[in-house]
Amino acid sequence: QVQFVQSGAEVKKPGASVKVSCKASGYTFTDYTIHWVRQAPGQRLEWMGWINVGNGNTKYSQNFQGRVTITRDTSASTAYMELSSLRSEDTAVYYCARHRGSEYMDVWGTGTTVTVSS
Amino acid sequence: QSALTQPPSASGSPGQSVTISCTGTSSDVGGYNYVSWYQQHPGKAPKVMIYEVSKRPSGVPDRFSGSKSGNTASLTVSGLQAEDEADYHCSSYAGSNNLVFGGGTKLTVL
Repeated sequence: QVQFVQSGAEVKKPGASVKVSCKASGYTFTDYTIHWVRQAPGQRLEWMGWINVGNGNTKYSQNFQGRVTITRDTSASTAYMELSSLRSEDTAVYYCARHRGSEYMDVWGTGTTVTVSS
Repeated sequence: QSALTQPPSASGSPGQSVTISCTGTSSDVGGYNYVSWYQQHPGKAPKVMIYEVSKRPSGVPDRFSGSKSGNTASLTVSGLQAEDEADYHCSSYAGSNNLVFGGGTKLTVL
């Protein structure tokens, strides 16, 4: 079945960067766009951006413009999200999710907890 | 991009119906029929329950329904069951390939 397995939890210091991976299986990786969404503790879901896996085009939320980079490795069926200049407010669970044409996400990853602390 | 507005909490007794609202603007909810709803149990990833305002993915019970009027979308859960207790998040397409989520609503089954 379709699934995404994400990389393990990370602890980072303020100012550092983090790169989270999302390995897809169960479908043709290049056929679907992948989103990244985060959720701070007890907070709402926050859309970060997406990547068209087929052509590599990206779109980022204004809230993260300049700090987030989404890439993919089609040979490894893996998408990546890198967030730089980390601050304590970036402590959250980061999810990847598959995009469907009607602007929704049908399959979500396992989530990766990123903790930013000095 | 501003978050969509949801009530922080909602509740109902087993068997009852409850409706959760999601208010945006003409630039998101009101401008497109691309509202989706996600159910999230504690410690779990979200699960899509409704897409395109009122469509249910395969496997989602027909107790879940969605609608939209103007800039406000709604999710109705009928015949409440204990397992429906969860957080519910709305999302909308916001133009220019952007998406926006709501603040989330905690549904309690009394």
